[in-house]
Amino acid sequence: AQSVAQPEDQVNVAEGNPLTVKCTYSVSGNPYLFWYVQYPNRGLQFLLKYITGDNLVKGSYGFEAEFNKSQTSFHLKKPSALVSDSALYFCAVRGDTGRRALTFGSGTRLQVQP
Amino acid sequence: GAGVSQSPSNKVTEKGKDVELRCDPISGHTALYWYRQSLGQGLEFLIYFQGNSAPDKSGLPSDRFSAERTGGSVSTLTIQRTQQEDSAVYLCASTSGRGTTSTDTQYFGPGTRLTVL
Repeated sequence: AQSVAQPEDQVNVAEGNPLTVKCTYSVSGNPYLFWYVQYPNRGLQFLLKYITGDNLVKGSYGFEAEFNKSQTSFHLKKPSALVSDSALYFCAVRGDTGRRALTFGSGTRLQVQP
Repeated sequence: GAGVSQSPSNKVTEKGKDVELRCDPISGHTALYWYRQSLGQGLEFLIYFQGNSAPDKSGLPSDRFSAERTGGSVSTLTIQRTQQEDSAVYLCASTSGRGTTSTDTQYFGPGTRLTVL
């Protein structure tokens, strides 16, 4: 079985400050990890993914995520938050064997204050 | 190019009625997924298609739910005898399906918001 935990329902950060959205996972085999963002009344937009290689993955809109195998974490980060980053963020995982569908976390709402 | 499209964007129906939700994947994408997003349940997997066949339908919550895909393209999710607990946003995603599909990025459509009264 595979699972994802996003321990924070909401993260508040001031514009210009760094942000972190936390994600931990559990999966059999090697993990493939994804971050998606959802704006109101929109579908999920892909931000970045970790498959293999460098533990620091860079993605769209200045976001990056750090894969930590020992802590089974894949936290999303951005050095300087924008008000327009305010949205719902989902972490997802699948293993390199078994089910092809993604397993999603419960989502974290990011609120960036001007 | 065009992304994943879904129709209708919103559907309001009465309890007990049947509904059909449509998904048009990105052109050339061979793998297609249906998910459901509801309050309190997060995003749940429903069914996965590779071409026209569905090797994983383990997420369908009951036999009232079915899906098909024709011509390796459009997919229809049908919910029979809808119940209020079926109210949710139904999301479709597609991947190229070429090579190692486990690493492919799933690209999502805007979803269909289903409300069962």
